[in-house]
Amino acid sequence: GESVGLHLPTLSVQEGDNSIINCAYSNSASDYFIWYKQESGKGPQFIIDIRSNMDKRQGQRVTVLLNKTVKHLSLQIAATQPGDSAVYFCAEIEISGGYNKLIFGAGTRLAVHP
Amino acid sequence: DAGVTQSPTHLIKTRGQQVTLRCSPKSGHDTVSWYQQALGQGPQFIFQYYEEEERQRGNFPDRFSGHQFPNYSSELNVNALLLGDSALYLCASSRQGGYTFGSGTRLTVV
Repeated sequence: GESVGLHLPTLSVQEGDNSIINCAYSNSASDYFIWYKQESGKGPQFIIDIRSNMDKRQGQRVTVLLNKTVKHLSLQIAATQPGDSAVYFCAEIEISGGYNKLIFGAGTRLAVHP
Repeated sequence: DAGVTQSPTHLIKTRGQQVTLRCSPKSGHDTVSWYQQALGQGPQFIFQYYEEEERQRGNFPDRFSGHQFPNYSSELNVNALLLGDSALYLCASSRQGGYTFGSGTRLTVV
């Protein structure tokens, strides 16, 4: 199947700054995208999702932007904290034969420095 | 409410051996998906089970097989282990699309 990829493998930010993690997807038919956070030794944890009929969705300190024209997703984290240090994945739901599955990209490591 | 539980957490096997990994889904979930995550990469879809049947499969050889039990728990079996099978194996349970992941089983093949 088609894959979801990321622009930057590593992002280093200062505590308190805003972080932006980018993701490009190739399947224009996808209509549901999810951002996951994975800390060392743990499984992916849901952060926020967005459907293709939306351009923007906000959560607590996080915002996801979707640009369908260029097939681009971004995750914005406001006032980044040391606890935000982790690997972030974007994923898309691929539907085949009426069933859905998650397809992940390679991930971006976010390192927050004091 | 317990989330997704995987066992064991770590495992070391010798090349050529067989391994079984186990997953108990989140309460209320009826679908189990398995993923392989190599170091520094994103999770890759192996297969998905629903109503005790495999209903989707990723690009993995037949050495990878699975099973789902009536209580929705699942097993992943890998035969004839290769060094390249070393990875974190993640189980995700879902019901109508909302996925919850376990912490995974770290498999090392030596």
